Amino acid sequence: DVKVTQSSRYLVKRTGEKVFLECVQDMDHENMFWYRQDPGLGLRLIYFSYDVKMKEKGDIPEGYSVSREKKERFSLILESASTNQTSMYLCATLDTTLTYEQYFGPGTRLTVT
Amino acid sequence: AQSVTQPDIHITVSEGASLELRCNYSYGATPYLFWYVQSPGQGLQLLLKYFSGDTLVQGIKGFEAEFKRSQSSFNLRKPSVHWSDAAEYFCAVVPDSGNTPLVFGKGTRLSVIA
Repeated sequence: DVKVTQSSRYLVKRTGEKVFLECVQDMDHENMFWYRQDPGLGLRLIYFSYDVKMKEKGDIPEGYSVSREKKERFSLILESASTNQTSMYLCATLDTTLTYEQYFGPGTRLTVT
Repeated sequence: AQSVTQPDIHITVSEGASLELRCNYSYGATPYLFWYVQSPGQGLQLLLKYFSGDTLVQGIKGFEAEFKRSQSSFNLRKPSVHWSDAAEYFCAVVPDSGNTPLVFGKGTRLSVIA
C-alpha cells in the first residue's frame, strides 16, 4: 500500500522560528511536491523535486526552502516563520511510471502565532 | 493565463439527488485530467482520471466524469448523492501531459442535506 507520511498533523510555532516539515514516502517515486492549502485558494505549489538534491520553485516559493538529501525524504523549511504562513501543508509524490497519480500525505496544519 | 477553473465554490444538494461539479481548463493541448476528493480532516484521494481514449471515465464511489474537448471541460457527476459524499472536490490538470506538476482548481465544497 502506498504511503506518504508527514511528521506532524498539527504544529504551533512562534513568529521568527525556523520550522521544518518532514515528508517521507515508501514508493520509490522520484517526484515529490509541497503544497499549501488555504480556504478559497485551493492547493498552491510551493516547491517540487524531480530527484535527490534537485529542486524547482513552484508558484509561491517566497519564504520557503526545501531539502532532498535522500530519495524518500523531502523537507520543507520555513526560515523565519510568519503569521501569513499559517496554513495546511500537503506533501505529495507522483508515479510517473504507471498511473501518473499523485499520492498525498495527511497534511500538517501549521499555526504561526 | 493558463488555469483550471471550478466555477462553483459551494454546492448544496439533497441526499439522493444527482450531482454535477464543473471544471474548465485553459490549456491548448489535451492535458491529463484528474478529480480528487478531500473529506473533512482527511488527505486528498483520487476519484478518477483521464489521459486518452473513451471520454467518459468511471471512478470510485460511483463517480464519473466526461471530457469534452470542444468545451475544455471535465465535469464530475454522480447520479445519486449520499451524505458521505459531503467533502471538497478538486479538479486538477497536468498541462503538458508530461513530467510536470498538477495544477489544481480552487475546489468546490459539497454539502449534502437530508
